[in-house]
Amino acid sequence: NAGVMQNPRHLVRRRGQEARLRCSPMKGHSHVYWYRQLPEEGLKFMVYLQKENIIDESGMPKERFSAEFPKEGPSILRIQQVVRGDSAAYFCASSPLNRQGPYEQYFGPGTRLTVT
Amino acid sequence: RKEVEQDPGPFNVPEGATVAFNCTYSNSASQSFFWYRQDCRKEPKLLMSVYSSGNEDGRFTAQLNRASQYISLLIRDSKLSDSATYLCVVIDTGNQFYFGTGTSLTVIP
Repeated sequence: NAGVMQNPRHLVRRRGQEARLRCSPMKGHSHVYWYRQLPEEGLKFMVYLQKENIIDESGMPKERFSAEFPKEGPSILRIQQVVRGDSAAYFCASSPLNRQGPYEQYFGPGTRLTVT
Repeated sequence: RKEVEQDPGPFNVPEGATVAFNCTYSNSASQSFFWYRQDCRKEPKLLMSVYSSGNEDGRFTAQLNRASQYISLLIRDSKLSDSATYLCVVIDTGNQFYFGTGTSLTVIP
């Protein structure tokens, strides 16, 4: 059973370009979470999705950031018109659903975004 | 007030020492609790779940104190390979995951 997959692992964008980060959850997992981690800082929750639904996007910046988890295919985190402050590691995690709700999360290796 | 708070450390301990981390949470109705470990520039990895009855895995023991709303992680006989950042995680009644900012541990030879 493959783990959570993220691609690309490293992404370099110039200011003003768009960044698209992809996450394929573990097989059988129906919940996806995106986190951002700035250098020397902790994980910051961004968004929680199920297939075709955004459950909680309270951690997403109001502008330029969007996320989706379509019925088919990976979850996408999209950052439009990137700025230097967007440079960070972006981690995706997935979680199975048990009767009580989502259980422990498993993380992908992250995408390191560098904005030049 | 943050949902989850941890002492960031750093904790610098000699090999063989016993070290303990605490983490407090604000929502008394929180349902599930975990400890994760994150190595430098890597993804967090699940270390262990935390139960009211306590949970032991080799040199690691996790405890939950619901009355005082904190969870703890005890590491006995520290190894160099234990050097990492330890994150506590709390899941609330809305199935939202809250991560602490992490406690940094360095085990010194």
